[in-house]
Amino acid sequence: EAQVTQNPRYLITVTGKKLTVTCSQNMNHEYMSWYRQDPGLGLRQIYYSMNVEVTDKGDVPEGYKVSRKEKRNFPLILESPSPNQTSLYFCASSLLGTGGVRPQHFGDGTRLSIL
Amino acid sequence: SQQGEEDPQALSIQEGENATMNCSYKTSINNLQWYRQNSGRGLVHLILIRSNEREKHSGRLRVTLDTSKKSSSLLITASRAADTASYFCATVRKTSYDKVIFGPGTSLSVIP
Repeated sequence: EAQVTQNPRYLITVTGKKLTVTCSQNMNHEYMSWYRQDPGLGLRQIYYSMNVEVTDKGDVPEGYKVSRKEKRNFPLILESPSPNQTSLYFCASSLLGTGGVRPQHFGDGTRLSIL
Repeated sequence: SQQGEEDPQALSIQEGENATMNCSYKTSINNLQWYRQNSGRGLVHLILIRSNEREKHSGRLRVTLDTSKKSSSLLITASRAADTASYFCATVRKTSYDKVIFGPGTSLSVIP
């Protein structure tokens, strides 16, 4: 079954304690992306990756890191989390076409609370 | 920056009625995509429309694109209670085709 898997689904942690949210896809997609969703703001892109070892900033990259060492995995790292990073996070993947990003497959989300 | 802006923010209709949601954007696009999100779940892709297309259909969904007005609409015909969800438009811009910009979404409630 084609899917994007995020872990953990829920996490409560404290300010400053480094955490990693993993994302894995089984569709051999080139493009992977992380979004955060906050009430009234829709989804905002944090980082994206066009292929292995190719990553770039989205609209809200501050406080986050990513890496793309393998095609299937795209972890999101919060080195020193702060309360304003409390949010619902989604990982997504897609193919790339001549017209840009194709329809994305989304994971089920990670609800992150930073106290 | 917000590229896509949906209108209305919330919509409540009776089962069987049609629901129309609009999306406006600011810069030239390569394609525009509509997604659906059930409460607290991941987004599911509905339709992609390219900048050189004007209309697309998929089952009870009809999407139009007017590039001169920089706007798109999503029509759901004969709505069902199961259509209750949030709907988002997302744009892929011509100048940065690797970025995706989502609007804040329209929350649709279909009352049985």
